[in-house]
Amino acid sequence: ETGVTQSPTHLIKTRGQQVTLRCSSQSGHNTVSWYQQALGQGPQFIFQYYREEENGRGNFPPRFSGLQFPNYSSELNVNALELDDSALYLCASSITSGGFIEQFFGPGTRLTVL
Amino acid sequence: AQTVTQSQPEMSVQEAETVTLSCTYDTSESDYYLFWYKQPPSRQMILVIRQEAYKQQNATENRFSVNFQKAAKSFSLKISDSQLGDAAMYFCAYTQGGSEKLVFGKGTKLTVNP
Repeated sequence: ETGVTQSPTHLIKTRGQQVTLRCSSQSGHNTVSWYQQALGQGPQFIFQYYREEENGRGNFPPRFSGLQFPNYSSELNVNALELDDSALYLCASSITSGGFIEQFFGPGTRLTVL
Repeated sequence: AQTVTQSQPEMSVQEAETVTLSCTYDTSESDYYLFWYKQPPSRQMILVIRQEAYKQQNATENRFSVNFQKAAKSFSLKISDSQLGDAAMYFCAYTQGGSEKLVFGKGTKLTVNP
């Protein structure tokens, strides 16, 4: 276990709806990253939050947004859902140890868009 | 842009035997890290082994070792004495030094036969 939890485990939405996914990081991890993993693919970086500010974004449109809270929890929000948004969404919290940044992944939320 | 390529979508190995998973990457940076992550069917991504680009010595973690060929931009994972619990998706990943954005390959599905 990595100490990172995500909720819900599974979610089914319809096209055009909005969804919020949640992540709880390990205590002390002040950086959280979100990844999208489509079926049969490797995870793709969505964005990263450091001390509650967005600190880097991948090639994802603005309808993907996030929040990070002081209690080491975070959210991924997706507006105007599209069929291609169906994927496993992973969050990863980070800590720097000896100059190396290690990321700890949660189990993911499986989102299905119908 | 940095890319990571895993050319073996699936591999299989007999229990107690050795298997090597291949990975190549493309970057113009000199400071970077390479990783192998394991994603079992339960989906939680776990770090298997990491390699700092500035280190010439290949990383080793128990039964897992890497063959890091920097000039060839190759980073293969060797699993010795394979166990049933090694069955999983294995992802090769790259991150630039100072960054926490991971770039993943598409993964290799490893099956361990009893």
